[in-house]
Order: sequence, then structure tokens, then C-alpha cells
Amino acid sequence: KNQVEQSPQSLIILEGKNCTLQCNYTVSPFSNLRWYKQDTGRGPVSLTIMTFSENTKSNGRYTATLDADTKQSSLHITASQLSDSASYICVVIPTDSWGKLQFGAGTQVVVTP
Amino acid sequence: DARVTQTPRHKVTEMGQEVTMRCQPILGHNTVFWYRQTMMQGLELLAYFRNRAPLDDSGMPKDRFSAEMPDATLATLKIQPSEPRDSAVYFCASGLAPGQTNEKLFFGSGTQLSVL
Repeated sequence: KNQVEQSPQSLIILEGKNCTLQCNYTVSPFSNLRWYKQDTGRGPVSLTIMTFSENTKSNGRYTATLDADTKQSSLHITASQLSDSASYICVVIPTDSWGKLQFGAGTQVVVTP
Repeated sequence: DARVTQTPRHKVTEMGQEVTMRCQPILGHNTVFWYRQTMMQGLELLAYFRNRAPLDDSGMPKDRFSAEMPDATLATLKIQPSEPRDSAVYFCASGLAPGQTNEKLFFGSGTQLSVL
């Protein structure tokens, strides 16, 4: 069973609107949780990195939140742009195994004009 | 900008042929990962190296896959013989470890492999 579950699987939003992506995980203990953006035909690029003690981290129009008690994270995209169309992947790194990153399946976001 | 370089970007081959994918990690990074990505499975870890030594290759089919780091500037992933089910995008990533917990992992653009 995947230890990192993302929802929704995909979503379509209008340019300028906001959206929120969800990530639920069971990895424990973990050292940090990351959100990556993957454009079509490219490798994933890091958006945010949060340690287990952090609650929120922003990167421009991207804001990630983390609730370690409920084992949930979200990625909020504000004022979406066409360039935000991509797959967003939640990644959790176990404390005892830095190399064994646990990847979610990703949420495919399509921003339409 | 420093980046992870993968070659080739695309590879089409016939079943049974040997495939070699190459990766040049970012200079100074001591950890290199190989991942495979498919629509069905997402990103799967195949192998990773630290200071050129293999730390984990449990995700790799041992009978046909092999991963090496001949030197600090080159990592290779070989498939011999290739099979249609190997068709996927193969990503290399590099980073610094153990380092700080907020160390970034940098991915290459991937090798799109199609085995006919």
C-alpha cells in the first residue's frame, strides 16, 4: 500500500482561480515533507520543503501546510496561471532512511484560459 | 545554473537489445538516485549511490538491470536484455546527504525509453 496518498487525481481550474491539493501520509517517523512540480516531459522540481516541526511554507503563489498530528499536507495555489499546469507530487522522507523517498502518485492540474 | 544531465533524452529499441542510460550529477553532489516513472506506478526508486557506493538497489530487477558509478561525474543504468515492460521514463537525481534535512534533490529531464 502506498504510504503517500494524493487527492484529487486531477483537476481543471480557470486561470486566476485558487486551488488546493491534498496529501495524506502514513510514513512515520519522517524528517520532512516536500512538494514537487513536474511539467510534462521534465523532471520534478522542488517547490517547498517542510520539516516535521513546520506548519507552513510558501514559495511565491504556492503555499504548503503540514499537520503532523493528522498526517496531512496541502498545497495551495493562488491566482493560478497557465504555467501552473503540471503534476504536483507530494514526497515524504522517512527519518531513518533519507534515500527512501516515498512518492505520492501526483495530482494533475490543468489551468484553462 | 547547475543541473543534472541525462542522455539520451529518448531511446527506442527492440526487445532483447541492451540499453544504457547515462547521468551526470551536479558537481559536488555525493548522492545519486535512479527512478523509473510510469503512468501506473508513478515514481519508483531503482537504486541509489552515496559517494559512488551503491546503498540500495532493491527496487531494481537484478537479472536484467545494473547501475554503476564509474566516477563521481557519471552514473549509468543498463538494461540487458530489454523488454517491452521496461518502457518508461527513467530519471536520475542528485543531492547532498546526509546534509541538512532541507537539502534539495535535483532531477534530470529523464530518458524516455520505448522497447518495442
